[in-house]
Amino acid sequence: QQPVQSPQAVILREGEDAVINCSSSKALYSVHWYRQKHGEAPVFLMILLKGGEQKGHEKISASFNEKKQQSSLYLTASQLSYSGTYFCGTPAIKAAGNKLTFGGGTRVLVKP
Amino acid sequence: SQTIHQWPATLVQPVGSPLSLECTVEGTSNPNLYWYRQAAGRGLQLLFYSVGIGQISSEVPQNLSASRPQDRQFILSSKKLLLSDSGFYLCAWSGGRWSSYEQYFGPGTRLTVT
Repeated sequence: QQPVQSPQAVILREGEDAVINCSSSKALYSVHWYRQKHGEAPVFLMILLKGGEQKGHEKISASFNEKKQQSSLYLTASQLSYSGTYFCGTPAIKAAGNKLTFGGGTRVLVKP
Repeated sequence: SQTIHQWPATLVQPVGSPLSLECTVEGTSNPNLYWYRQAAGRGLQLLFYSVGIGQISSEVPQNLSASRPQDRQFILSSKKLLLSDSGFYLCAWSGGRWSSYEQYFGPGTRLTVT
């Protein structure tokens, strides 16, 4: 089952902060985050492997609450380069091929 | 370092024509390989994945097939294209058993069926 992302879209001014949420109805043991710029392929940002673990990529950080089955991506002091669509991906536990199910995406537009 | 290639980058094909998209990975061995399709403005739909040569799992019943003739080669095919096959096709790889299974995507093939 596909994880649910919210919001679907967000518009920011440069320097503002935003939070993107990813929730699943199934138990999670990891959450992946990817960013896709317009016309390009998705790029891996980070993976969260433990409950409550936080990671960072530039000024983008994420948290993973295993008990709540959700992850949040934090865009801090956003830059123009942060524009794009963010996807979370969740693997089924011990899924063959370690395939991911991706959320519907959150479109982020950072304006000057 | 690892590199993933896809070709062609862009393709315009008439309805009913065959299709062959190729993906190759360099710098790693025994990767898991994936084919995704992305409709305009939409999310990522997993079409096929492979954990080894000749091992293909299909996720969505459709007009497409996949093959893995070599360890680092993944091919997406169709005998007769439909209008609904248009989209952005992405190949991705992930490491094997001892990796974190993050996926790395190729540059993609933009297919338009006319």
